Amino acid sequence: DIQMTQSPSSLSAYVGDRVTITCQASQDISKYLNWYQHKPGKAPRLLIYDAINLQTGVPSRFSGSGSGTHFTFIISSLQPEDVATYYCQQYSTFGQGTKLEIK
Amino acid sequence: EVQLVESGGDLVQPGGSLRLSCVASGFTFSDYWMSWVRQAPGKGLEWVANIKDDGSKKYYVGSVRGRFTISRDNAKKSLYLQMDNLRAEDTAVYYCARERVGSAVAADYWGQGTLVTVSS
Repeated sequence: DIQMTQSPSSLSAYVGDRVTITCQASQDISKYLNWYQHKPGKAPRLLIYDAINLQTGVPSRFSGSGSGTHFTFIISSLQPEDVATYYCQQYSTFGQGTKLEIK
Repeated sequence: EVQLVESGGDLVQPGGSLRLSCVASGFTFSDYWMSWVRQAPGKGLEWVANIKDDGSKKYYVGSVRGRFTISRDNAKKSLYLQMDNLRAEDTAVYYCARERVGSAVAADYWGQGTLVTVSS
């Protein structure tokens, strides 16, 4: 099975900061990496699919990059409503999650 | 508007069974792969199972294989998860999700979830 290592597990940043989360696959997964946002009591939300593609309706401050084994998720300017846990996903495997908070 | 509404969650004893349902609306259900994803209390997301648009292929996470069965009825626009021999570690909120066409297991719409509690 492919393992997904997501880091950091938690992150605290100021409004307006650039935030970066990474996900490392244990083997080459090409472009097949998705990113989700999950807020407590809500349904998860797809933000990025196939590593780089912004899901319809998602603000452009969210972006993804990478291929093969190393992937990056970026929030270019953190907003208060971005407080959530973020997950990478490759097929049937989710990363461990990154809990994002505002300083 | 795409909507997915889960039901069937309940308190059940270890070793018991439960059937979850998910009713879809706002899209052509028979065109999409569908998934079940769960979140145990205080834990992250865990993919459970998915099923091809026509029901001909099904995949499961190892921890539920042989105990859970995913199925669908395209005429009723419904997705199901039959859960047998339930264990305490199956306690979770279970989400039904639609997989985006052309992207591997990218779930673009989700239900609000249904809570399954396995406890004596």
